[in-house]
Amino acid sequence: LAKTTQPISMDSYEGQEVNITCSHNNIATNDYITWYQQFPSQGPRFIIQGYKTKVTNEVASLFIPADRKSSTLSLPRVSLSDTAVYYCLGRNNAGNMLTFGGGTRLMVKP
Amino acid sequence: DVKVTQSSRYLVKRTGEKVFLECVQDMDHENMFWYRQDPGLGLRLIYFSYDVKMKEKGDIPEGYSVSREKKERFSLILESASTNQTSMYLCASSPPAGTVRLGQYFGPGTRLTVT
Repeated sequence: LAKTTQPISMDSYEGQEVNITCSHNNIATNDYITWYQQFPSQGPRFIIQGYKTKVTNEVASLFIPADRKSSTLSLPRVSLSDTAVYYCLGRNNAGNMLTFGGGTRLMVKP
Repeated sequence: DVKVTQSSRYLVKRTGEKVFLECVQDMDHENMFWYRQDPGLGLRLIYFSYDVKMKEKGDIPEGYSVSREKKERFSLILESASTNQTSMYLCASSPPAGTVRLGQYFGPGTRLTVT
């Protein structure tokens, strides 16, 4: 399993900003930090990736501290359609591949 | 658009049967992956492949094998299906490690039920 830690679940309301933090202590020097989103009955979908500091795209922002041992996915003004499971990637036990952790189930309420 | 297709969305097999799950990608990606996803356990990597005829074990390879004879196709094989292999199976592909920025592209998944 990936050596990542993130909250199992989070609740929010429409219009709020949501921040999901993941710790990935065994990230390698040349690894990019990557987050995915998964809706029910679909495969995960890549949403954002970064190496350090801050990255922003049309979907989310990603904050990465200098030590890169954690990262925070920020979803601005969530809507009901943002209800999904969010995964960060970390190294597997063998250390030879980036793989998925358990994910955070985000529930956005009206 | 990258397309990753899986041979079946739903599959029902009997215990002891040999099962083939096929995955095809159309983006000339070097890397391909097989995961299984179970409630409460997230995605777990079964096998991956960096190139044709190359394979590496993931976190849970027991009971599975893979085949990659062509770059675009990565097959997962259950030699003798068991009920504990009932799961959602997801295939993914990605560019080579030097271009990891682009992440993995997933297929729609195959829900396998072993009875």
